[in-house]
Amino acid sequence: GAVVSQHPSRVICKSGTSVKIECRSLDFQATTMFWYRQFPKKSLMLMATSNEGSKATYEQGVEKDKFLINHASLTLSTLTVTSAHPEDSSFYICSARDMGLSFRGFFGPGTRLTVL
Amino acid sequence: DAKTTQPTSMDCAEGRAANLPCNHSTISGNEYVYWYRQIHSQGPQYIIHGLKNNETNEMASLIITEDRKSSTLILPHATLRDTAVYYCIVNTDKLIFGTGTRLQVFP
Repeated sequence: GAVVSQHPSRVICKSGTSVKIECRSLDFQATTMFWYRQFPKKSLMLMATSNEGSKATYEQGVEKDKFLINHASLTLSTLTVTSAHPEDSSFYICSARDMGLSFRGFFGPGTRLTVL
Repeated sequence: DAKTTQPTSMDCAEGRAANLPCNHSTISGNEYVYWYRQIHSQGPQYIIHGLKNNETNEMASLIITEDRKSSTLILPHATLRDTAVYYCIVNTDKLIFGTGTRLQVFP
């Protein structure tokens, strides 16, 4: 199946700093990528939809200035958590969509962010 | 919002079939049913999907009722490594996760 990678897998940062997370589709082109966050023992929550070459579409309640998304190429999308605070600590997961007939998504392994 | 309802948890003996139900009574005609699972601290893994016909692959079988208002994911011979949270998702353009079913496979 298609492979999606994320980097880094874990990151610890100080409060007030910005953190960038990369999501790559390794063996297919993804015109659309999705970003999720997941708190412990909770389900995945969709944050935004990222389309190559255009602005991301954010879900209700997600601050676009807080979570900057860039999708500069068909294989790379980045999520930048700006001025991170402890409440931003979470598991961030990206998904890239296979543009076949069924629009199924392939998920990265996730990035665990801890803000001190 | 998620358009599916699943039991919170289920148990299954190793080697037996695990049947995970999902209700999606408001499904639209062009919406697929997707199943994913998530093992602790990993990204979700695609299992199977279908529109209206039953589907089978190397991982599982998907049975969709004729009215498409519910479906069942079948793991024919569950192993301990199948312990995970299983998500049933109905959508066309983006995957919205519900609470899923926590499947515990025991020896």
